[in-house]
Amino acid sequence: EIVLTQSPGTLSLSPGERATLSCRASQSVSSSYLAWYQQKPGQAPRLLVYGASSRATDIPDRFSGSGSGTDFTLTISRLEPEDFAVYYCQQYGNSPAFSFGQGTKLEIK
Amino acid sequence: QVQLQESGPGLVKPSETLSLTCSVSGGSISSSSYYWGWIRQPPGKGLEWIGNIYYRGSTYYNPSLKSRVTISVDTSKNQFSLKLSSVTAADTAVYYCARLAAAGIDYWGQGTLVTVSS
Repeated sequence: EIVLTQSPGTLSLSPGERATLSCRASQSVSSSYLAWYQQKPGQAPRLLVYGASSRATDIPDRFSGSGSGTDFTLTISRLEPEDFAVYYCQQYGNSPAFSFGQGTKLEIK
Repeated sequence: QVQLQESGPGLVKPSETLSLTCSVSGGSISSSSYYWGWIRQPPGKGLEWIGNIYYRGSTYYNPSLKSRVTISVDTSKNQFSLKLSSVTAADTAVYYCARLAAAGIDYWGQGTLVTVSS
C-alpha cells in the first residue's frame, strides 16, 4: 500500500503570494497517476491536476503540478481569495486501488 | 453532464449494516473507460478511499475495510451500491460516490452524511 504524506499540514499565506504544497510517496508512483484536489467546506473535492502536471478542465493556469517518483508539488503562483481551502494529493497507480494524502490546509494569513 | 447522487439512510445503529446507492445520470455506468467508487470523510478529517467497481463487476477494496465492505453494480439501473457491515461510531462520515477516470476522480456526488448512533 502506498502512503502519501503531505506537507505542511497548514500553510498560512496572503492573497497574491505563491503557495507550494508537497506530497511525498512511500514508494515510487507513476506520474501518470498522481492527482491533486481542492476541497472547500461543505463541498465535494474538485479535481485540479492529474498525471502530476496536467490541469483539469476549467482550472486556472495559476495552478501547476510537478514532480516524479516519490516527490510531487502543487504550486499556486498567485493566491486568489477563493484558493484558500484544503488540498489533497491522490495516487491511483496502475490499478484502481488508490490512496489520498492527509491534506494541506491553506489558510489566509 | 455526468451527475452522481448518493441515497440511503442518514442514521444507522451500531453493529448494523450501512447501505448506500449511487445513481448515475448523464452517462452510462457501462462505459469501459471508468471505475466507480466510494470515498468517505469523517467530520473534520481527511478523505479515505473505500473501494471501486468496474461495470463488469470486478471490485477493489481498501485493505483496512475489506472484511466489511461489499460494492455492487446494477447496470440496468445505472447505479452502484455500498454495503458496510458491523458499523461503529468510527464509520460516521460523509460518504461520496465518484467516477474514476485515467485522469483522476473527475466527477463526485455531493456526499451524504451517515451517522452511526443508537
